Amino acid sequence: SQTIHQWPATLVQPVGSPLSLECTVEGTSNPNLYWYRQAAGRGLQLLFYSVGIGQISSEVPQNLSASRPQDRQFILSSKKLLLSDSGFYLCASGTDGYEQYFGPGTRLTVT
Amino acid sequence: AQRVTQPEKLLSVFKGAPVELKCNYSYSGSPELFWYVQYSRQRLQLLLRHISRESIKGFTADLNKGETSFHLKKPFAQEEDSAMYYCALLASGGSYIPTFGRGTSLIVHP
Repeated sequence: SQTIHQWPATLVQPVGSPLSLECTVEGTSNPNLYWYRQAAGRGLQLLFYSVGIGQISSEVPQNLSASRPQDRQFILSSKKLLLSDSGFYLCASGTDGYEQYFGPGTRLTVT
Repeated sequence: AQRVTQPEKLLSVFKGAPVELKCNYSYSGSPELFWYVQYSRQRLQLLLRHISRESIKGFTADLNKGETSFHLKKPFAQEEDSAMYYCALLASGGSYIPTFGRGTSLIVHP
């Protein structure tokens, strides 16, 4: 089965600072990759997904961007963080028609 | 467009009581349906999917196409079942963009 690694686990950043969250996948090749934001009572909000290297689709226009420089690496970035970017970010991997595997998440607090 | 509704944000039961977490969906085709669970301090993980027709940790879920539901049931709840549960739908034809419900927090009291 697949294993998803995310780091850092927690991050506290000031408003206006840049962001880089990294996700790597083991145990599969050419996966679909996803970034979600999880908020209590609001479920999982899909932010970005990628079906291959360099292919990124954005679900929600916002202050964030994503990149996939390698097959099993997915990065969530921002040039200037906003207070509203605070939250819990999940990376996931999946294959067409099948279940998703999730990483442990990153708790981001923007101060 | 598909939609998944979990009408209860919170479900509170006592140990040994039956539990049913509701999930209703809106989709015109034949969906793939999943239940995911997130225990405290653990990552979100698959609990079961309808196509496998398995019972996992005593939980079962039956797809009812007439009522467009995929409720999760367990006859006797245990304290270790306390967790956040999400219902999810994948459209037919090898879709790769799931639609998640907002989740139900299950608390099982001793």
